[in-house]
Amino acid sequence: KAGVTQTPRYLIKTRGQQVTLSCSPISGHRSVSWYQQTPGQGLQFLFEYFSETQRNKGNFPGRFSGRQFSNSRSEMNVSTLELGDSALYLCASGGTGSGEKLFFGSGTQLSVL
Amino acid sequence: AQSVSQHNHHVILSEAASLELGCNYSYGGTVNLFWYVQYPGQHLQLLLKYFSGDPLVKGIKGFEAEFIKSKFSFNLRKPSVQWSDTAEYFCAVNSGGGADGLTFGKGTHLIIQP
Repeated sequence: KAGVTQTPRYLIKTRGQQVTLSCSPISGHRSVSWYQQTPGQGLQFLFEYFSETQRNKGNFPGRFSGRQFSNSRSEMNVSTLELGDSALYLCASGGTGSGEKLFFGSGTQLSVL
Repeated sequence: AQSVSQHNHHVILSEAASLELGCNYSYGGTVNLFWYVQYPGQHLQLLLKYFSGDPLVKGIKGFEAEFIKSKFSFNLRKPSVQWSDTAEYFCAVNSGGGADGLTFGKGTHLIIQP
């Protein structure tokens, strides 16, 4: 069974640009969550999607958005990038969500210059 | 808002030593509690979880954790560590209904010396 796949693995952008990250969950999983990991703040919850609907949202500005497609694949978009957005962005998938076991991907390392 | 505190940021032990990693959370209601582990070069994976019932939960690779509600704690334990336990350990919590994302602690970097 394939795991959670995140693309691209690495990204370098400059301030003011926008970026889109992609996540393919484990086959059959309908919940996809996104987390930001930085050395200073640790792992922080961005949002969760379930059956194409945003079910939960963390405390991030509106520049961070996401969506989920009918095949459960998810994308995360960050607009008007800031230096502080440099981080590892992790995607996690689950069956029905709601706090059950999450399976994490390897992440996308975003560097903003 | 929920918060999770892991007391030790770095722990160094010798093989066969006993391990206890502290985790305290702040949340007034029912909680789900988790320990995740990240081995070098690998992605985060679940060690164990507590939803309800027996407060002593057993996970993979000989790890266990005890939920003490009165102390808002969920400490991770292992009687005898191995070199392969070297990893980053994260405690996490969400509300009992699972209606929100996980709140993680800052992590504990565990190094086991052979």
